[in-house]
Amino acid sequence: QKEVEQNSGPLSVPEGAIASLNCTYSDRVSQSFFWYRQYSGKSPELIMSIYSNGDKEDGRFTAQLNKASQYVSLLIRDSQPSDSATYLCAVNIQGAQKLVFGQGTRLTINP
Amino acid sequence: SAVISQKPSRDICQRGTSLTIQCQVDSQVTMMFWYRQQPGQSLTLIATANQGSEATYESGFVIDKFPISRPNLTFSTLTVSNMSPEDSSIYLCSIRGKVMDTEAFFGQGTRLTVV
Repeated sequence: QKEVEQNSGPLSVPEGAIASLNCTYSDRVSQSFFWYRQYSGKSPELIMSIYSNGDKEDGRFTAQLNKASQYVSLLIRDSQPSDSATYLCAVNIQGAQKLVFGQGTRLTINP
Repeated sequence: SAVISQKPSRDICQRGTSLTIQCQVDSQVTMMFWYRQQPGQSLTLIATANQGSEATYESGFVIDKFPISRPNLTFSTLTVSNMSPEDSSIYLCSIRGKVMDTEAFFGQGTRLTVV
């Protein structure tokens, strides 16, 4: 079992709709979770971090964490064409100070 | 957040040669990380570089192939040795936030093509 799993997509969403991205992880003791956005040819940039169960909102982005189910998600409301990118879920491996990344979900927002 | 400068940004190299990638951070950091991103793939951690000690390599990566230097708290190099076309990837330098277990920040990456 991979440490961090995402659906690779591609995920296609119409402009203005909600895009939902999902991630599961295997390390039960992980406490830190991150979503990165990566445009083609660019390095990943941090969108959201979440450390506690529940929802965390930042503008159009909402991260959701359920540690019991080992599940992290990212919702993008009012999707824009500029949101088209690959979204990477990352999980901190407790005690090792290293991040493990999922394979990424390619998201396309259709005008 | 810190500014992470990586160079070169891209290079095309002949097989069998080596390339050294430099990473400079504008503040002192304890740990620096090197990742590889193969075409169409996600990020894979190569090694963690601590100042004053040998780098810690992840499974599947060895020092002879990817030697790392960490001479001070703001600088690190990664060398890709004896390159083959399979080494064609983006190599990324990364640091973590000041508090343990917080987010990672990345340099702009080095796009390596081996011919």
